[in-house]
Amino acid sequence: GAVVSQHPSRVICKSGTSVKIECRSLDFQATTMFWYRQFPKKSLMLMATSNEGSKATYEQGVEKDKFLINHASLTLSTLTVTSAHPEDSSFYICSAITGSRLNQPQHFGDGTRLSIL
Amino acid sequence: TQLLEQSPQFLSIQEGENLTVYCNSSSVFSSLQWYRQEPGEGPVLLVTVVTGGEVKKLKRLTFQFGDARKDSSLHITAAQPGDTGLYLCAGEYGTASKLTFGTGTRLQVTL
Repeated sequence: GAVVSQHPSRVICKSGTSVKIECRSLDFQATTMFWYRQFPKKSLMLMATSNEGSKATYEQGVEKDKFLINHASLTLSTLTVTSAHPEDSSFYICSAITGSRLNQPQHFGDGTRLSIL
Repeated sequence: TQLLEQSPQFLSIQEGENLTVYCNSSSVFSSLQWYRQEPGEGPVLLVTVVTGGEVKKLKRLTFQFGDARKDSSLHITAAQPGDTGLYLCAGEYGTASKLTFGTGTRLQVTL
C-alpha cells in the first residue's frame, strides 16, 4: 500500500530555532500533500495544501511566513517552522494523494512531535 | 467553514459492549471518511463512504452515510481492547480533495 514517511518523528529545540520537517511518499508520486496540526487530545486542523511545483495554499489564520512549505518534487514536501516559539509546540502530520480525482484516501505520515523549550 | 461535530467526545466501555459514534454537519460532503488514530501516530483510514444512505461493513464495524450526505455513524459490535483509539470522521468538500476533520471520539475499551 501507499506509504508516507515523515521525518523527524520527534524534535526538541530551543526557542528561536527554525525546524524543518520532511514528508516523503515512498512508493507513489504525490501530486498534492497536506499539512495538519494537532493539539493534545484534539482533532487534526488543516494548515495548508501543497501542490508539486507551485506555491502552497494556506488555510485562514495560518501564517505563511511562519510555516514555510516547499513541494519541490513529486515525492517530497517540507514544512519549516521559522523562529519557533513554545506556542508552536504541537504534533504536525502530513498526508499525500496522487492525482486530482475526488474520494481518494489521503495517506498519512506518522507525525512529528515538535517541542520548543 | 465546514464543521463536523462528533459525539460522544469520550467513551469508556467494557469488552463485549456495542457502541455508536456520530458525526454531524450542516454541510454536504462529496464523501466522508473514518479514521482511527493511536497516540503518536498518524490516522489510519478505515472506510470511505460516498453515496447517500450507503452502509459499509468492516468486520465488527458498520459505517453509514446519511441520506443527505451531511452525517455519518460508526457502530462497533462486541468491542475489544484493540479497538481503543481516537476515531475521526473527515468530510471531503470542494474540488481540492481537502478534508475537514471531526472533533474526534476517544474510545477506551477495558477488559
